[in-house]
Amino acid sequence: ELKVEQNPLFLSMQEGKNYTIYCNYSTTSDRLYWYRQDPGKSLESLFVLLSNGAVKQEGRLMASLDTKARLSTLHITAAVHDLSATYFCAVDSMGVPMRFGAGTRLTVKP
Amino acid sequence: DTEVTQTPKHLVMGMTNKKSLKCEQHMGHRAMYWYKQKAKKPPELMFVYSYEKLSINESVPSRFSPECPNSSLLNLHLHALQPEDSALYLCASRHVMTGRRYNGYTFGSGTRLTVV
Repeated sequence: ELKVEQNPLFLSMQEGKNYTIYCNYSTTSDRLYWYRQDPGKSLESLFVLLSNGAVKQEGRLMASLDTKARLSTLHITAAVHDLSATYFCAVDSMGVPMRFGAGTRLTVKP
Repeated sequence: DTEVTQTPKHLVMGMTNKKSLKCEQHMGHRAMYWYKQKAKKPPELMFVYSYEKLSINESVPSRFSPECPNSSLLNLHLHALQPEDSALYLCASRHVMTGRRYNGYTFGSGTRLTVV
């Protein structure tokens, strides 16, 4: 069974600081996803990572994938208040539907 | 059109009611999904449709009945729900083939269901 572990579950950051969220998964997988969710809202797709060594960046967020280690990271650079949200990683593969990690609730404080 | 449209956005129903949630997309996606999300939890998979056929049912109680009448539409019929079924219900779709231009899943805005 595909399992996805995310840490930390809670993250309180000061504005301007850097931090990394980690996502480990249990089986060989083709695809890794990062989503953002604001309170009461649906999921917003941030990144889709499809191959070993893939790195994608959007603004202050950068995601990477190491399929050999079964590890993805979401790096936050110089955090700002607007990044406060819950971030989910998710994994799927051929014939295996997408499963989510528990989520990281990020709070950025001034 | 690059959206998944879910209706209604909010639904309050009694335990003896019958209601339906609707999900529609016109992106040509042939895989469609229902997820359930409780407060402060990750989304949990309920059903997967591939080419309009039910391919995965994650042991969901029979009071939830999915239907895929055509390639653009996905319904979730609700009957005799319990208060613990109150949650955000999310529909998603994606291309079945995952080539170089694969963009992943597109989620709808969700239906906030309250069972009283």
